[in-house]
Amino acid sequence: DAKTTQPPSMDCAEGRAANLPCNHSTISGNEYVYWYRQIHSQGPQYIIHGLKNNETNEMASLIITEDRKSSTLILPHATLRDTAVYYCIVRVRGSGSARQLTFGSGTQLTVLP
Amino acid sequence: DTEVTQTPKHLVMGMTNKKSLKCEQHMGHRAMYWYKQKAKKPPELMFVYSYEKLSINESVPSRFSPECPNSSLLNLHLHALQPEDSALYLCASAGSLNTEAFFGQGTRLTVV
Repeated sequence: DAKTTQPPSMDCAEGRAANLPCNHSTISGNEYVYWYRQIHSQGPQYIIHGLKNNETNEMASLIITEDRKSSTLILPHATLRDTAVYYCIVRVRGSGSARQLTFGSGTQLTVLP
Repeated sequence: DTEVTQTPKHLVMGMTNKKSLKCEQHMGHRAMYWYKQKAKKPPELMFVYSYEKLSINESVPSRFSPECPNSSLLNLHLHALQPEDSALYLCASAGSLNTEAFFGQGTRLTVV
């Protein structure tokens, strides 16, 4: 699975949009971009995934560049409860031989009051 | 029910003890995972089960022994652990290999 690069930390004011970047310049054509987050001492929580089109759900939006070498997770109105480590992961989706869900270092997002 | 339930939440064990961690899901998921997470580090994959068969073992020491007795249950048997094995142990399940995984809240293990 392709390697990802994320900034180690970011701050965001409460109520503002949080934009978390991820670089995945070696992504393959069949690899999806997944985002998870982990609030302190809890299990990681799935947020969203996408292949090449932008995606939106009740939690966040995912913007993937046209060349697919980078993406941005957007939390439209960050709250204090969004303070967490955010992980960007790229991996093959679907059946077939097992692929690890491998976590990189992630971005510590701190939402400030 | 979209939960992955792990028990116990906390466990303290001596280096000569034998204990087991339990993970349960009732989402019909056929892929299940064990991860280990040290403080301030990302989760590290230990084992992957697919359709109740061990699919991936990430060179984990034999003092960790996984077991998948049925499609809803995943155990991790622990024996002769070392203090450096103290960590948060996370279980996850997925509808099939390589789809989004759902995680339990983990078992905080302390080896004394």
